[in-house]
Amino acid sequence: GQSLEQPSEVTAVEGAIVQINCTYQTSGFYGLSWYQQHDGGAPTFLSYNALDGLEETGRFSSFLSRSDSYGYLLLQELQMKDSASYFCAIPSGNTGKLIFGQGTTLQVKP
Amino acid sequence: DGGITQSPKYLFRKEGQNVTLSCEQNLNHDAMYWYRQDPGQGLRLIYYSQIVNDFQKGDIAEGYSVSREKKESFPLTVTSAQKNPTAFYLCASSIVPGMAEAFFGQGTRLTVV
Repeated sequence: GQSLEQPSEVTAVEGAIVQINCTYQTSGFYGLSWYQQHDGGAPTFLSYNALDGLEETGRFSSFLSRSDSYGYLLLQELQMKDSASYFCAIPSGNTGKLIFGQGTTLQVKP
Repeated sequence: DGGITQSPKYLFRKEGQNVTLSCEQNLNHDAMYWYRQDPGQGLRLIYYSQIVNDFQKGDIAEGYSVSREKKESFPLTVTSAQKNPTAFYLCASSIVPGMAEAFFGQGTRLTVV
């Protein structure tokens, strides 16, 4: 089967940097995605790593290490609007599934 | 504008009644998904469809049924067999099955009393 593990909560202050980790177990790995969900809203796609290394998109970066079955989302220059839940997800090209982790709730404090 | 539309946003039903949640997309995506989200929890896959007239069970399919008669539509029926149906239901689609980027609807919050 497939499974992902993330911390349940992270707290940081405005302007700081925070890292949200994700470890996974799967057969047939195709890459790791990250999504953001504000309370009561729809998840929105943030990034995708198919290969090892760091992908940067503005204030957000995502990292993958396939040998360690590990990835993280890095949020820089935190803003209050970054307070949300963040999910890592595994797309499975061969089964058609998209499996999500339990999510990490990020609280940004002034 | 292209996107995914779920309706209604809030739905109340009496225990023992079946209820159908609507999901429509005009993105021309092949794949569609239904997820259930409980308070403070992640997204659990109920059913998914890779192409019209085909669908597969996800991790928590018991008590749910779906159909995919049209590419644009993927309705979810919550049956009376679902023991704890009160939850937030999210529909998503992707260009092809198992793609990294999925697009989500705004969700339907179902409350069964």
